[in-house]
Amino acid sequence: DADVTQTPRNRITKTGKRIMLECSQTKGHDRMYWYRQDPGLGLRLIYYSFDVKDINKGEISDGYSVSRQAQAKFSLSLESAIPNQTALYFCATSLGPNTEAFFGQGTRLTVV
Amino acid sequence: DAKTTQPTSMDCAEGRAANLPCNHSTISGNEYVYWYRQIHSQGPQYIIHGLKNNETNEMASLIITEDRKSSTLILPHATLRDTAVYYCIVRVQNTGNQFYFGTGTSLTVIP
Repeated sequence: DADVTQTPRNRITKTGKRIMLECSQTKGHDRMYWYRQDPGLGLRLIYYSFDVKDINKGEISDGYSVSRQAQAKFSLSLESAIPNQTALYFCATSLGPNTEAFFGQGTRLTVV
Repeated sequence: DAKTTQPTSMDCAEGRAANLPCNHSTISGNEYVYWYRQIHSQGPQYIIHGLKNNETNEMASLIITEDRKSSTLILPHATLRDTAVYYCIVRVQNTGNQFYFGTGTSLTVIP
């Protein structure tokens, strides 16, 4: 089983719909992250959380919200999806400030 | 703003060493250099990281210059499965210690 699991892996939704992407991890890490990747570009940070009571905006948080339900779960929501949110979304976890991050396999989201 | 500069693309012959350069001239003294790779659209895979000393693991070696303004990732014997986009990342300390990705180097290993 993967250490960082994202669901769903693929999703097509309509403009204006609310959608939630879920991430769970079995690594016992406190730090979790959500990134998006657009074609031909690197990953950009949306939100991050250092523990269940800590939520921080990344560089592109507008139009997104997150929920840290437990140490192992970090969800990303699009309250009203729009086409330019079509992208590949990645969740990641890390143990501490100077340790590597582990990424999930991604969720491909298409907003039509 | 990107803190690293990498060539857009590189080729390497199978079995040869692949040397991927990265410039990070504004790196601060306590910031680590990380390398990740991404195969197709899979999740990025951690390769190696370091602060000032050279590092080696089962996947690669990381050579950091003495002034820490640049580094080189070395894949000692490239295989076709090493074809991927390689990201050099300086872990920023003043914004919650996050990973900021640039556009990376697309490495193609040629048979």
